Amino acid sequence: GQQVMQIPQYQHVQEGEDFTTYCNSSTTLSNIQWYKQRPGGHPVFLIQLVKSGEVKKQKRLTFQFGEAKKNSSLHITATQTTDVGTYFCAGEIKAAGNKLTFGGGTRVLVKP
Amino acid sequence: DADVTQTPRNRITKTGKRIMLECSQTKGHDRMYWYRQDPGLGLRLIYYSFDVKDINKGEISDGYSVSRQAQAKFSLSLESAIPNQTALYFCATSDRTSLGHKAEQFFGPGTRLTVL
Repeated sequence: GQQVMQIPQYQHVQEGEDFTTYCNSSTTLSNIQWYKQRPGGHPVFLIQLVKSGEVKKQKRLTFQFGEAKKNSSLHITATQTTDVGTYFCAGEIKAAGNKLTFGGGTRVLVKP
Repeated sequence: DADVTQTPRNRITKTGKRIMLECSQTKGHDRMYWYRQDPGLGLRLIYYSFDVKDINKGEISDGYSVSRQAQAKFSLSLESAIPNQTALYFCATSDRTSLGHKAEQFFGPGTRLTVL
């Protein structure tokens, strides 16, 4: 079946530094969504990317959808302690019945 | 979101017992989902429903069943619980979109289930 892989699984970041998490799909995606889950919480939607090569920004977060629509990335600049949590990408594959397939997530820990 | 509620929030049960997890939403969404979360494995889809008369299996439906009692209610049952069903379970909802693209999903607070 289709798979969505995320790397790294864990990311330890010094406060103020930048980092990137990557998402790769085995098949072409119709669109991709990103979610954030704070420790002890539930996933919360961040953004959806639909177009090939699309780039969207939310303050210090930059999301990119690959040209082939098989990969995506989330880049966070000047990491803050409020960025702690697990970031999930989730891809929709039209042939798979319009449901999302989630990646395993990148758990982000911030060192003050 | 408070608009999506799950009961119970925590449950400890024994192997072989029947368990029902309930999900209710006040968002008026047609689509509802059940996921389980295990460390390092992300969220895996168990069942989903695009309207009251539509039920579909997800990637890990074995050992689970669901019931969509109304637009606002979607229940997940474990007919005979086993220890490897110990996990965090999330219900989610989403709306249809006019463009045909997937709308964002709104998650409930989760149910932590432990099967001894």
